[in-house]
Amino acid sequence: DTAVSQTPKYLVTQMGNDKSIKCEQNLGHDTMYWYKQDSKKFLKIMFSYNNKELIINETVPNRFSPKSPDKAHLNLHINSLELGDSAVYFCASSLLRGPLHFGNGTRLTVT
Amino acid sequence: AQTVTQSQPEMSVQEAETVTLSCTYDTSESDYYLFWYKQPPSRQMILVIRQEAYKQQNATENRFSVNFQKAAKSFSLKISDSQLGDAAMYFCARSLYTGTASKLTFGTGTRLQVTL
Repeated sequence: DTAVSQTPKYLVTQMGNDKSIKCEQNLGHDTMYWYKQDSKKFLKIMFSYNNKELIINETVPNRFSPKSPDKAHLNLHINSLELGDSAVYFCASSLLRGPLHFGNGTRLTVT
Repeated sequence: AQTVTQSQPEMSVQEAETVTLSCTYDTSESDYYLFWYKQPPSRQMILVIRQEAYKQQNATENRFSVNFQKAAKSFSLKISDSQLGDAAMYFCARSLYTGTASKLTFGTGTRLQVTL
């Protein structure tokens, strides 16, 4: 029944590693997003996809690569993880003029 | 820069009382929506209420209502009859549309404590 689900909930890894976060939505929305919430709770958009097409790409290091195999899925792959990448990453989806529906977040800790 | 400002990092309210959280925003667009999201300690982001900028009538959802002042670019959230479960971070957000996506810009949040 979960509308937007992302896995894993927690991710602890060492610097230099590569990791992925998966996201799936069953709401039938065309648009999906990745947001980053830093240690001060500030939320900032990273990417947005509409029906598998990249629409929004904020100033994000190119170590971060989103991939959308279909409109219900948007994964985030991060290469060469750095300490500063530690944050909570939220996936979300929406209809164009609707509110965003968020997943429960993935807490990434880089040691 | 088109920003969203929440000037109250923390607020406290007694149970059953009313509290108002402030938010101002900046935009040169005419077509936008405004939202309040709640983030409890579970870190889930929960939509509380939304307001279409073209609507003059203030949105209301049960105990939650907004005071939308478009000319002043102000969008405050009023919580009536506060409950312990209302304790959370509250984020104000403004959305702009890029054609096929909605870009949501968030404020820095207000942490609400509810006391007995």
